Amino acid sequence: IAGITQAPTSQILAAGRRMTLRCTQDMRHNAMYWYRQDLGLGLRLIHYSNTAGTTGKGEVPDGYSVSRANTDDFPLTLASAVPSQTSVYFCASSDSKEVNEQFFGPGTRLTVL
Amino acid sequence: GQNIDQPTEMTATEGAIVQINCTYQTSGFNGLFWYQQHAGEAPTFLSYNVLDGLEEKGRFSSFLSRSKGYSYLLLKELQMKDSASYLCAVKDSNYQLIWGAGTKLIIKP
Repeated sequence: IAGITQAPTSQILAAGRRMTLRCTQDMRHNAMYWYRQDLGLGLRLIHYSNTAGTTGKGEVPDGYSVSRANTDDFPLTLASAVPSQTSVYFCASSDSKEVNEQFFGPGTRLTVL
Repeated sequence: GQNIDQPTEMTATEGAIVQINCTYQTSGFNGLFWYQQHAGEAPTFLSYNVLDGLEEKGRFSSFLSRSKGYSYLLLKELQMKDSASYLCAVKDSNYQLIWGAGTKLIIKP
């Protein structure tokens, strides 16, 4: 693995189903983030984690949950998907919340029908 | 509220210079970032400004005026591969990035 990987690349999901988007980084970064990107809007922060074992809510956390059991993995779960959660989801990481650059994964394109 | 404004779309000619502006109003300021995002791909880091002035990196330069809540990204000697969206983002008092909607730059031969 080099950098950040996300899985799946894309997914079509029926409304009401549960879905977990996976994110793994091999850079030993402390901070990780989940964003959604919708046409005409900027990236919006869903949840973040400043270090393993801690998580926090971003701008649009409703309907999503995260966990950070270790440094490398930061899964995002949709407990019961709704069509408004159709979006492109990006996972990102940085060495710390203060350090400048965030590195992004390739994204997951999710469609909820 | 927090707000980042940048033009939705710009068009420029190959070999020319283009300036993409960004204005912001945020709760606190811990730096301004520019990212490049090609269609269907992830954003990649271009530049970071925390002090007023110009930061130059090859064909790309970024300027910041904190008193005016203003930044611009200057792209010189435009190439077709520069066709992409350019995202302005500000790190607020909680060290969270607030993102603009992005400027789609179209380069014509």
